[in-house]
Amino acid sequence: KAGVTQTPRYLIKTRGQQVTLSCSPISGHRSVSWYQQTPGQGLQFLFEYFSETQRNKGNFPGRFSGRQFSNSRSEMNVSTLELGDSALYLCASSLEITYTGELFFGEGSRLTVL
Amino acid sequence: GQNIDQPTEMTATEGAIVQINCTYQTSGFNGLFWYQQHAGEAPTFLSYNVLDGLEEKGRFSSFLSRSKGYSYLLLKELQMKDSASYLCAVRLANSGYSTLTFGKGTMLLVSP
Repeated sequence: KAGVTQTPRYLIKTRGQQVTLSCSPISGHRSVSWYQQTPGQGLQFLFEYFSETQRNKGNFPGRFSGRQFSNSRSEMNVSTLELGDSALYLCASSLEITYTGELFFGEGSRLTVL
Repeated sequence: GQNIDQPTEMTATEGAIVQINCTYQTSGFNGLFWYQQHAGEAPTFLSYNVLDGLEEKGRFSSFLSRSKGYSYLLLKELQMKDSASYLCAVRLANSGYSTLTFGKGTMLLVSP
């Protein structure tokens, strides 16, 4: 069974540009969430989607947005990039009917903003 | 606000036992997770506690006390491959099911 797939794995952008990251969840998983990981702040929640609806949003500026498609694939977009947006962006999917509902993470998209 | 604290670093010797503590102060609680993350890799699920007590899974055990806002992860018979970051995370009540609040992680170094 394929795991969570994120593309691209690495990318370099300059300040002011925008970026789109993609996430394909594990087959059958309808819940997708996004996290930003930095050395200073650790993992911080960005968004949560279920059946194309955003269920929750973290404390990030409006430059961060996302969406989920009918096949459960998700994308997140960051506009007007800032140096501080350099981070590892992790996507996770979940099969919520299990007892734990644990998150299965992808290997992430590492964004460097110059 | 939400606050989850865990030690930044710990060291231990191969074959030993190590306990990684996590304390949390959150508005509402709906489960606590432990994840393991090796350098450059995705976090992987280790354990889940929603009721008080100890959950054991092989060499790994996790304990929860909801009244104290406290959890620990116990690793027995340490192996070199256990060198990794260990992340404590809380699922809040009245929050999204996949919305977790993470601590900053404990980097564990296992030496020979």
